[in-house]
Amino acid sequence: ELKVEQNPLFLSMQEGKNYTIYCNYSTTSDRLYWYRQDPGKSLESLFVLLSNGAVKQEGRLMASLDTKARLSTLHITAAVHDLSATYFCAVDDPGTYKYIFGTGTRLKVLA
Amino acid sequence: NAGVTQTPKFRILKIGQSMTLQCTQDMNHNYMYWYRQDPGMGLKLIYYSVGAGITDKGEVPNGYNVSRSTTEDFPLRLELAAPSQTSVYFCASSYPGDYSNQPQHFGDGTRLSIL
Repeated sequence: ELKVEQNPLFLSMQEGKNYTIYCNYSTTSDRLYWYRQDPGKSLESLFVLLSNGAVKQEGRLMASLDTKARLSTLHITAAVHDLSATYFCAVDDPGTYKYIFGTGTRLKVLA
Repeated sequence: NAGVTQTPKFRILKIGQSMTLQCTQDMNHNYMYWYRQDPGMGLKLIYYSVGAGITDKGEVPNGYNVSRSTTEDFPLRLELAAPSQTSVYFCASSYPGDYSNQPQHFGDGTRLSIL
């Protein structure tokens, strides 16, 4: 059974600090997705990582994928309050048409 | 460009009632999905469809039914509503062909309370 685990589950950080969210998964999927969800809102796609070593950056967020380690990271640089949200990673379940989501990381950036 | 549209946005049901959550997309996506998200939790897949006339169960299908008569529409039916079905329901769709090269597009959600 494919499992996707994120850590930490909760993260409270000061503005201006750097931090990394980790996403581990248990099968050989080589495609990984990051989404952002604001409270009471829907999910918004942030990054699609398609191969080993893929790195994508948007503003203060940078995502990377290591398929050999079955690990993706979402790095936050110089956090600002607007980044406060819940971040989900998801992988496609090989051989099916399904996506498996992690439990989410709830990020709160304190001014 | 509307994307994925869900109706209604909010609904309160009594125990034992039935209802249909509507989902339509205008992106010509073959693949459509229904998820539920309980408070403070991640997404659980209820049902999914890879094209008109083709549906399959996800992780938590009990108490729900779906149909897919057109590419655009993927309604979710709740029969005999129970308090455990209180949740936020998201419909999503994804790009045809090599589905995994594109992210899923999500609707705004339906917030459902069963009392």
